[in-house]
Amino acid sequence: QKEVEQDPGPLSVPEGAIVSLNCTYSNSAFQYFMWYRQYSRKGPELLMYTYSSGNKEDGRFTAQVDKSSKYISLFIRDSQPSDSATYLCAMSVSQGNLIFGKGTKLSVKP
Amino acid sequence: SAVISQKPSRDICQRGTSLTIQCQVDSQVTMMFWYRQQPRQSLTLIATANQGSEATYESGFVIDKFPISRPNLTFSTLTVSNMSPEDSSIYLCSASGLARTDTQYFGPGTRLTVL
Repeated sequence: QKEVEQDPGPLSVPEGAIVSLNCTYSNSAFQYFMWYRQYSRKGPELLMYTYSSGNKEDGRFTAQVDKSSKYISLFIRDSQPSDSATYLCAMSVSQGNLIFGKGTKLSVKP
Repeated sequence: SAVISQKPSRDICQRGTSLTIQCQVDSQVTMMFWYRQQPRQSLTLIATANQGSEATYESGFVIDKFPISRPNLTFSTLTVSNMSPEDSSIYLCSASGLARTDTQYFGPGTRLTVL
């Protein structure tokens, strides 16, 4: 079993839809959870950062961490065509080696 | 957040040659890292670039193949040595210590194709 599992998609939604992206993990020692957005031919851009369990909201984005289920989610409200990108989940035990999912490719259609 | 730049942005190289990739951060950072991103694969950590000492390599990566330098707190290089087509990938540097979260911020990447 891989340490971090993420459905690669692709995921296609209409503009304005709510998008739900998810990752599961196996290492219960993970404490730091991140979501990165990567546009084509660009480096990953940090979107959300969460320490331990709970929810975090930033504008149209909400990150959730459920450590009991080893499951993290990213919700995007009122999705826009500019949200079309690959979304990478990442997590770590300490502030160092990030373990990434393979990324989910999202397409938001106008 | 700080700006992280990489040179070159892309290159096409011949088998058996070496390429050095540069990573520059516009402010001092505590840690710098090098990752590889292969098609349909997860971003994978190659090594942590330590300032003033040898890099710390992850399992499956060795210094002879991927020598790394970090002469100061804002700059690092990764060399891909004796390249083969299997080394074709995107190579990314990242840095932490730029913000209160101490999480990692990434450069734009170097797209390497080995013929």
